[in-house]
Amino acid sequence: QVQLQESGPGLVKPSETLSLTCTVSGGSMNSYYWSWIRQPPGKGLEWIGYISSGGSTKSNPSLRSRVTISVDTSKSQFSLRLSPVTTADTAMYFCARGMSYHRFWGQGTLVTVSS
Amino acid sequence: QSALTQPPSVSGSPGQSVTISCTGTSSDVGSNNRVSWYQQPPGTAPKLMIYEVSNRPSGVPDRFSGSKSGNTASLTISGLQAEDESDYYCTSYTSSDTLVFGGGTKLTVL
Repeated sequence: QVQLQESGPGLVKPSETLSLTCTVSGGSMNSYYWSWIRQPPGKGLEWIGYISSGGSTKSNPSLRSRVTISVDTSKSQFSLRLSPVTTADTAMYFCARGMSYHRFWGQGTLVTVSS
Repeated sequence: QSALTQPPSVSGSPGQSVTISCTGTSSDVGSNNRVSWYQQPPGTAPKLMIYEVSNRPSGVPDRFSGSKSGNTASLTISGLQAEDESDYYCTSYTSSDTLVFGGGTKLTVL
């Protein structure tokens, strides 16, 4: 069974960089797309972007200038960088497998943007 | 890109059927068959219930079904059970190769 686990700081200061890593276990990263999705407290889901195992990326137009998604298949990891952040970026961040639909998800990690 | 439109809430009694709509545009829902639905109980990660409009992953009860007509997709839950009470989200792939979510619908089982 494929498992995903997000990791990274739970608190980031405004104007700084949010960095998260998703570690994949129980299966190969090859031939799949990998996604980041977030959910502000009490609100709905928002797609951030995806990356192929070969490194091709696509991101939400509303976040595109601030988002970088990368993959390291040798470590079974993919990563998200969002910079600069504001308090509006406070959310639960999920990683998931897939491009147009997501069968496997991480449990999520809460990132709070606050000084 | 704008979020897909879902009703904020729906409700039904045990045993009844409910349908949740998801309205987009000709650039997303209406442009392909890559519509999916998720169930998200409070405090948990979303669970895939329907993919590619009407396909159920293994383990999802056949009480859950999906359909699409034009720019609107629908999730129907028949034989409502108390455990179905949750938030539900639709998503659609777009003609720009991006993904867009609906605003979410809270299902209450009366």
